[in-house]
Amino acid sequence: QKEVEQNSGPLSVPEGAIASLNCTYSDRGSQSFFWYRQYSGKSPELIMSIYSNGDKEDGRFTAQLNKASQYVSLLIRDSQPSDSATYLCAIYNNNDMRFGAGTRLTVKP
Amino acid sequence: EAGVAQSPRYKIIEKRQSVAFWCNPISGHATLYWYQQILGQGPKLLIQFQNNGVVDDSQLPKDRFSAERLKGVDSTLKIQPAKLEDSAVYLCASSLVVNRLEQFFGPGTRLTVL
Repeated sequence: QKEVEQNSGPLSVPEGAIASLNCTYSDRGSQSFFWYRQYSGKSPELIMSIYSNGDKEDGRFTAQLNKASQYVSLLIRDSQPSDSATYLCAIYNNNDMRFGAGTRLTVKP
Repeated sequence: EAGVAQSPRYKIIEKRQSVAFWCNPISGHATLYWYQQILGQGPKLLIQFQNNGVVDDSQLPKDRFSAERLKGVDSTLKIQPAKLEDSAVYLCASSLVVNRLEQFFGPGTRLTVL
């Protein structure tokens, strides 16, 4: 069974802080990794994709991938109340996209 | 650029009835996906099309679910007959090609089975 695990939260951080979201996966052959943001009642929206080990930065977001540890994370710097949402980790391998259940993030003003 | 379109946005049916959902992907996107998202869970991939061919349908409950993508553009997903556990949001997504995996989601169809 290919599993994608995320802490369901809620994760609460104050405005301006760094939010750290984590995801582990079981399928060692996984090739591609994604972070999606989903506001309540809305559909997922792609934030970041990462394909190789290391860090990838895009604005306030940094994705980190460690294939040896089967671990991918998302850091959100200078968190804003508008970042309050559920963050979904998604892993792709061999025509199969698997999503975690998501971590609910609340950024308090 | 227009996004992924889905209809209807909401549907309420009774168990054992049939229902169909429609999806129009982003123009030029060859790959189309249908997902089921149950409340509190992540999306679950049901079926993936590349143009009008099926790439993967291993998680599609084929005894009651069917999907087609005629002419490689629009797609329909059908449930016949519906069960209570089919209550979920059905999401359609598209990507440019199968190896460009950045997927863009439509607004979804919320199905309630009574």
